Amino acid sequence: DVKVTQSSRYLVKRTGEKVFLECVQDMDHENMFWYRQDPGLGLRLIYFSYDVKMKEKGDIPEGYSVSREKKERFSLILESASTNQTSMYLCASSLSIVLASGTSTDTQYFGPGTRLTVL
Amino acid sequence: AQSVTQLGSHVSVSEGALVLLRCNYSSSVPPYLFWYVQYPNQGLQLLLKYTSAATLVKGINGFEAEFKKSETSFHLTKPSAHMSDAAEYFCAVSVTGGGNKLTFGTGTQLKVEL
Repeated sequence: DVKVTQSSRYLVKRTGEKVFLECVQDMDHENMFWYRQDPGLGLRLIYFSYDVKMKEKGDIPEGYSVSREKKERFSLILESASTNQTSMYLCASSLSIVLASGTSTDTQYFGPGTRLTVL
Repeated sequence: AQSVTQLGSHVSVSEGALVLLRCNYSSSVPPYLFWYVQYPNQGLQLLLKYTSAATLVKGINGFEAEFKKSETSFHLTKPSAHMSDAAEYFCAVSVTGGGNKLTFGTGTQLKVEL
């Protein structure tokens, strides 16, 4: 079974602090993703990565950065946490599959989430 | 760009009744479609996915969904609800060449009553 783990289930930080959220997957997946989940808004993509040291902005990258130094690990960084970043953060990973019509991703597997509260 | 609309943020059914959760998508190219379930305080778990093979897709826990291109729909059904089905359900779409990204709907909270 694919296993995606996140470093913390619950985290409380203060405004202005630098926050690191860690995600590790054990299935040698090329792709990794960070989402935030808010009531009524579903999941929104923050950043994703296709390979080590590669990153691409998702739909809501402002206020976040990411790091992928090793294939299995994808970190989300809040440089200066703000109260509007209080949310549930979900990490996911997937394989890339090559089809005749082009490359696509296989099923995304999710970690248990980190509930971050910024005071 | 692709998008997904889930009709009804909250659905309530009686135990043993039919479950129907609605999902409509928008995509200019053939989509891949997914249903995920999230139980309280957990991450998302894949229920089923459509990847252009059979239009009727069977998933885990007795759920199934039918891809209807003419209606741009991918509704999730289960013939008989169980208390353990109470959770939040998300429909998602991705497209080949679309940056390998999933676009999620806003979710439907399913409540199952005795």
